[in-house]
Amino acid sequence: EPEVTQTPSHQVTQMGQEVILRCVPISNHLYFYWYRQILGQKVEFLVSFYNNEISEKSEIFDDQFSVERPDGSNFTLKIRSTKLEDSAMYFCASFERSKNIQYFGAGTRLSVL
Amino acid sequence: AQSVTQPDIHITVSEGASLELRCNYSYGATPYLFWYVQSPGQGLQLLLKYFSGDTLVQGIKGFEAEFKRSQSSFNLRKPSVHWSDAAEYFCAVGANQGAQKLVFGQGTRLTINP
Repeated sequence: EPEVTQTPSHQVTQMGQEVILRCVPISNHLYFYWYRQILGQKVEFLVSFYNNEISEKSEIFDDQFSVERPDGSNFTLKIRSTKLEDSAMYFCASFERSKNIQYFGAGTRLSVL
Repeated sequence: AQSVTQPDIHITVSEGASLELRCNYSYGATPYLFWYVQSPGQGLQLLLKYFSGDTLVQGIKGFEAEFKRSQSSFNLRKPSVHWSDAAEYFCAVGANQGAQKLVFGQGTRLTINP
């Protein structure tokens, strides 16, 4: 079964550093998402992306965050200057329109020290 | 705004016992409702979904859920749990417009006693 792939599985970084989290959505899906889950809290929506532009973003998704689909397969989330509170599990998802289902990757655990 | 409440943070049941995980949602129209499961080190896997029609929906791994509009609930059930069901379970609601964001509940961690 096709799956969403996220790399790396765990990223450790120093506060103030830039990180890029990578996702390979399921082929032929056109809608992509990033969610995050701070330890012990809810899974929260960050941003959705369609047709090479952001379709919706949450208030969490401030100027420190950006998303990009640099080629036909990858979908990335960049955090320009990480803060301690960015430590979380970040999930990528892609949407299958025919089934109205979002498929999630295994997540990237980001630890900001 | 949409919201989801899962009142139980952690539930422990014995293997072979029945299970019900509670989920209450808030949404102004008929919602799209989902249950996802997350095993350790794994992504969120869809168990089942409700869009319309029959309010009792069947999912994978022997799970079912019932949509009750009057109670704004979408509780997940399984008649007999297996040790492999130990995981985190998330209820989510989406707008009935397809590719919209999902709003998740806090999650319920299920522990199975042998």
